[in-house]
Amino acid sequence: ILNVEQSPQSLHVQEGDSTNFTCSFPSSNFYALHWYRWETAKSPEALFVMTLNGDEKKKGRISATLNTKEGYSYLYIKGSQPEDSATYLCASDNAGNNRKLIWGLGTSLAVNP
Amino acid sequence: DTAVSQTPKYLVTQMGNDKSIKCEQNLGHDTMYWYKQDSKKFLKIMFSYNNKELIINETVPNRFSPKSPDKAHLNLHINSLELGDSAVYFCASSRQANTEAFFGQGTRLTVV
Repeated sequence: ILNVEQSPQSLHVQEGDSTNFTCSFPSSNFYALHWYRWETAKSPEALFVMTLNGDEKKKGRISATLNTKEGYSYLYIKGSQPEDSATYLCASDNAGNNRKLIWGLGTSLAVNP
Repeated sequence: DTAVSQTPKYLVTQMGNDKSIKCEQNLGHDTMYWYKQDSKKFLKIMFSYNNKELIINETVPNRFSPKSPDKAHLNLHINSLELGDSAVYFCASSRQANTEAFFGQGTRLTVV
């Protein structure tokens, strides 16, 4: 069984703090790693799709890195704002798993003003 | 214009009934999905269609049947609803299989 694990499960930070969290995924038959942002009462929105080892992607104050050999990805948020409060999900696409995305449970981020 | 729209947003129904949830995307994507968010908040893939062809069919009861009349629509029909079917169901689409997905707003199904 292939598992995707995210840590921490939840996180509370003050406005202006920078923060990061981790996604661990199976490194065998790796194809791609997805990051999504899911605000309460809304639907998940894609942040990044990463495929290459050492990849780093950035969108505004949010960036992500990828290590496919050891099977982890970090998501960083610089200078957190209250509007960054959401659950951040990662999902692994392992070609050997019939190309199904395996989703983590997410990291729930709350940014206090 | 909503890119991926699913209806209804809320559905409350009695055990044993048959119900459908509709999904439409106006993005011109080839691939569409149905996900179930379970009680532990996991997103679990149920079905995936690529150009109207079923490509992923997870182990879900036969009571669940997807129907894709065209590339822009993927409807989910559920027969003989059970209490355990209560969940939030999400439709999504992507340009190709497992590229960036766009999600609908979800349908909260409650079986009483």
